[in-house]
Amino acid sequence: QQQVRQSPQSLTVWEGETAILNCSYEDSTFDYFPWYHQFPGESPALLIAIRPVSNKKEDGRFTIFFNKREKKFSLHIADSQPGDSATYFCAAGTNAYKVIFGKGTHLHVLP
Amino acid sequence: GGIITQTPKFLIGQEGQKLTLKCQQNFNHDTMYWYRQDSGKGLRLIYYSITENDLQKGDLSEGYDASREKKSSFSLTVTSAQKNEMAVFLCASSIGENTEVFFGKGTRLTVV
Repeated sequence: QQQVRQSPQSLTVWEGETAILNCSYEDSTFDYFPWYHQFPGESPALLIAIRPVSNKKEDGRFTIFFNKREKKFSLHIADSQPGDSATYFCAAGTNAYKVIFGKGTHLHVLP
Repeated sequence: GGIITQTPKFLIGQEGQKLTLKCQQNFNHDTMYWYRQDSGKGLRLIYYSITENDLQKGDLSEGYDASREKKSSFSLTVTSAQKNEMAVFLCASSIGENTEVFFGKGTRLTVV
């Protein structure tokens, strides 16, 4: 049972464009939504996270948009740079310790 | 800052063999995790431990055992290696629930 769905599987954008990565979830008890990125040969690392008390979280060029009613959230990467090329994982967690990860989106930013 | 050290970095085992992966963290975090990463399948939770001597099953615990010997260490055992076990196993830790999870560099398992 896939509780966290991510799309697209792969995304290519040009440098300077906004990359949009999408995620949806099924369990309405989820209340913590982080995004991790993973560069080739490296481990995943936390990029940005949101809790449903707000529907938007910004950190520099990275913004999470959260829609509780539709159980969807997305990561927008503004002014994409080639250095942003990586795999991005969305995740969702509850008041427990089990954070469920999506399958990842491979982002390619072309110069 | 802190670091999570996983040993070994590469592990080659034979089908049916019992294999142990080790993890140490010096963050002084209470919670530790073992994830398996397969290409195209994301990160799947095998076991986690909230505190020393605690053990909780994740979604992928069948075929694995784990042990939280002390706060700083968490080991994972593949009870009987299978051909489809080729994957990267990531150890991780966090302060507590729904906080940033820090990952180790991983152990890449190959079964021959």
